[in-house]
Amino acid sequence: KNQVEQSPQSLIILEGKNCTLQCNYTVSPFSNLRWYKQDTGRGPVSLTIMTFSENTKSNGRYTATLDADTKQSSLHITASQLSDSASYICVVTSNYQLIWGAGTKLIIKP
Amino acid sequence: DAGVIQSPRHEVTEMGQEVTLRCKPISGHDYLFWYRQTMMRGLELLIYFNNNVPIDDSGMPEDRFSAKMPNASFSTLKIQPSEPRDSAVYFCASSSSEGPYSNQPQHFGDGTRLSIL
Repeated sequence: KNQVEQSPQSLIILEGKNCTLQCNYTVSPFSNLRWYKQDTGRGPVSLTIMTFSENTKSNGRYTATLDADTKQSSLHITASQLSDSASYICVVTSNYQLIWGAGTKLIIKP
Repeated sequence: DAGVIQSPRHEVTEMGQEVTLRCKPISGHDYLFWYRQTMMRGLELLIYFNNNVPIDDSGMPEDRFSAKMPNASFSTLKIQPSEPRDSAVYFCASSSSEGPYSNQPQHFGDGTRLSIL
């Protein structure tokens, strides 16, 4: 069964610290992997989209990595800011399906 | 540039009433999607359109749900009759002509929070 699992479910860190969110998938065949940020009360916003051949992609302080062999992706946030508080959702595309993870809720404390 | 615009932002109605949610996609985008988000099930794709034509409605939960796209700049999602279990946040999204499974992102509106009493 195609699945996308994210960890941790929630995370609290202090402003200025770094953090890494995980996404593991059991999806085949694989087309691409997306990370979205969803602020409370808003729609998801695309951060990165990675294809099979891409290992790393950055968007400002956000860096996504992809290991297609182990079917793992991570989203690293550098020097966190209060505005990074949000849910981060991993989405894998396979065979004309978008398979959404449940998300990681990140809280940044001052 | 204006993003995807949804209305209303909030809707509270009684069970059995008809509910209509509205969406204006980003100009020039050929694909439009309707999603439902709940705590229990996360984001679920209900239906999507390409050039105003419904392509995949397999996610529509039951016959009480219907969606239309009469032109490139407007779509509706209707629930009739509504039930308490339909309470959720409904999102509309649009993407470019490369399609939903390409390397192009989907652009989401801010959703309609629907509460059925």
